Amino acid sequence: KAGVTQTPRYLIKTRGQQVTLSCSPISGHRSVSWYQQTPGQGLQFLFEYFSETQRNKGNFPGRFSGRQFSNSRSEMNVSTLELGDSALYLCASRSSQGLNTEAFFGQGTRLTVV
Amino acid sequence: KQEVTQIPAALSVPEGENLVLNCSFTDSAIYNLQWFRQDPGKGLTSLLLIQSSQREQTSGRLNASLDKSSGRSTLYIAASQPGDSATYLCAVHQGGSEKLVFGKGTKLTVNP
Repeated sequence: KAGVTQTPRYLIKTRGQQVTLSCSPISGHRSVSWYQQTPGQGLQFLFEYFSETQRNKGNFPGRFSGRQFSNSRSEMNVSTLELGDSALYLCASRSSQGLNTEAFFGQGTRLTVV
Repeated sequence: KQEVTQIPAALSVPEGENLVLNCSFTDSAIYNLQWFRQDPGKGLTSLLLIQSSQREQTSGRLNASLDKSSGRSTLYIAASQPGDSATYLCAVHQGGSEKLVFGKGTKLTVNP
């Protein structure tokens, strides 16, 4: 059974550009959440999706957005990139929106903004 | 607002030693607590999930305990090995959403 797949693994972008990251959850999982990891702030919650609906959003500016498709794959988009957006972006999938299920993470996308 | 703290931030031990990593959280209204391992530059690997109604979970050389009333969890690693070197993160699943609140982690180094 394949795990959570994130693409691309690495990205280098210039300030002001936009970027789209992709996450394919474990087959059969319908819940996808996104997190940003930086050395200073640790892991911070961005947003969660279930059945193509955003259920919750963290405390990030509107430049950060996401969506989920009918096959449960999810994308997140960051517009007008800033140097501070450099981070490891991780997505997690769960088998359902059940609150007692285990979260499984992908390998992450390392975004560097120059 | 839920806050998760992990102490110590870093730990270095000789191979073969048993060790305990600590995690504390401020709001006891959690659904579950999950321990993860992260190798440098990599994603998170789930180690153990403890439901709020459980006291402990075991997987191989790992044992995690949960005391919800006091807001504490521990991860016990028996007979540590150099391959156990990594950052260990605990996260609590807050009620009402899929959101996990993470601690900053404990960086473990096991010396041969």
